[in-house]
Amino acid sequence: EPEVTQTPSHQVTQMGQEVILRCVPISNHLYFYWYRQILGQKVEFLVSFYNNEISEKSEIFDDQFSVERPDGSNFTLKIRSTKLEDSAMYFCASSVSRGVGNEQFFGPGTRLTVL
Amino acid sequence: ILNVEQSPQSLHVQEGDSTNFTCSFPSSNFYALHWYRWETAKSPEALFVMTLNGDEKKKGRISATLNTKEGYSYLYIKGSQPEDSATYLCASAAYSGAGSYQLTFGKGTKLSVIP
Repeated sequence: EPEVTQTPSHQVTQMGQEVILRCVPISNHLYFYWYRQILGQKVEFLVSFYNNEISEKSEIFDDQFSVERPDGSNFTLKIRSTKLEDSAMYFCASSVSRGVGNEQFFGPGTRLTVL
Repeated sequence: ILNVEQSPQSLHVQEGDSTNFTCSFPSSNFYALHWYRWETAKSPEALFVMTLNGDEKKKGRISATLNTKEGYSYLYIKGSQPEDSATYLCASAAYSGAGSYQLTFGKGTKLSVIP
């Protein structure tokens, strides 16, 4: 069964460093999303992406964050200069169609720890 | 920003018991309600996507109902099994008027089924 994959499963970085989190969405899906969950808190929407551009972003997704689909399979989230408060589990998701009336398929997450 | 609440926070049931949990969400501009099942160290798995008031959906022993006028959804599990042990997340979306939507998650209900 097709699934969303994410690498790495765990990333440890120093404050101020850049990190890139990678996702491979399901191959025939066209819409991609990033979410995060800070430990003990709710899962939060970060950004949605379609046709090589951002469809929607939350107020969390500031200038420190960027997303890219560098080739036909990968979807990446870059954090330019990490802060302690960026420590969280980051989930990638994809869907066949646009809009939240459609099922989203989630990856297993990347746990980011900023020291 | 929507406020999505789930109750109870956690639940322990005996194998064979039936159980249910609640998700409450703002009813204004409602668009969709998602239920996810999330086992530790795995990807959140979509159970249901519901959009219509009065919707009832079923997958095996799990079913869900939706009341968009009063802003709640119930998830039912009939004859709980140990493999049902997981965190059950709900997420709601409201139409923002801008033609795109964000999922807002609750904190989840953690179900433990005791053999």
